[in-house]
Amino acid sequence: AQSVTQPDIHITVSEGASLELRCNYSYGATPYLFWYVQSPGQGLQLLLKYFSGDTLVQGIKGFEAEFKRSQSSFNLRKPSVHWSDAAEYFCAVGANRDDKIIFGKGTRLHILP
Amino acid sequence: GAGVSQSPSNKVTEKGKDVELRCDPISGHTALYWYRQSLGQGLEFLIYFQGNSAPDKSGLPSDRFSAERTGGSVSTLTIQRTQQEDSAVYLCASRPGGSTEAFFGQGTRLTVV
Repeated sequence: AQSVTQPDIHITVSEGASLELRCNYSYGATPYLFWYVQSPGQGLQLLLKYFSGDTLVQGIKGFEAEFKRSQSSFNLRKPSVHWSDAAEYFCAVGANRDDKIIFGKGTRLHILP
Repeated sequence: GAGVSQSPSNKVTEKGKDVELRCDPISGHTALYWYRQSLGQGLEFLIYFQGNSAPDKSGLPSDRFSAERTGGSVSTLTIQRTQQEDSAVYLCASRPGGSTEAFFGQGTRLTVV
């Protein structure tokens, strides 16, 4: 069964600094991988996804993520964060297009002015 | 409607009572998912539907939890004899066939007193 680990519960960065949120997954084959964001009082929104092809994927709001099979990782990055990026970020994995999607416990991002 | 609709948005119930939570997916979406979000626990998978059938019910915490979907559309999550540990936000998501992106509702906040 697939599983997801997000090692960092909280991350604090200064506005304008770069960001990397870590995600490790467990699954035997190539999984479907997702990053979602949940802003305060908002629903979950898909930032980006990967299931094949180029291992560096671009998403909305200036985010990108890189799939590294050798490390079973799918880390989320942004070159320069904005105060509006403060939110909770969830990494998720699915075995295939039609399977359940399993989420990690989330990383809460705090932005310092 | 334009998005996934969940009702009620908030529900307070007494311990031992039964509750029904409703999810109206986006029209035409074939897959439907239920998750539970508790503080610090991320999104816990409960069950998902393909059409009216549920290939995976492995996440339902106990036999007090059940869900059904009718007409390939509306889904109801029922919790019998509610306990305080059932207090959480229950999220529903739907996904169109052939797509990997799941769209989430705003959730139902359940409080058991």
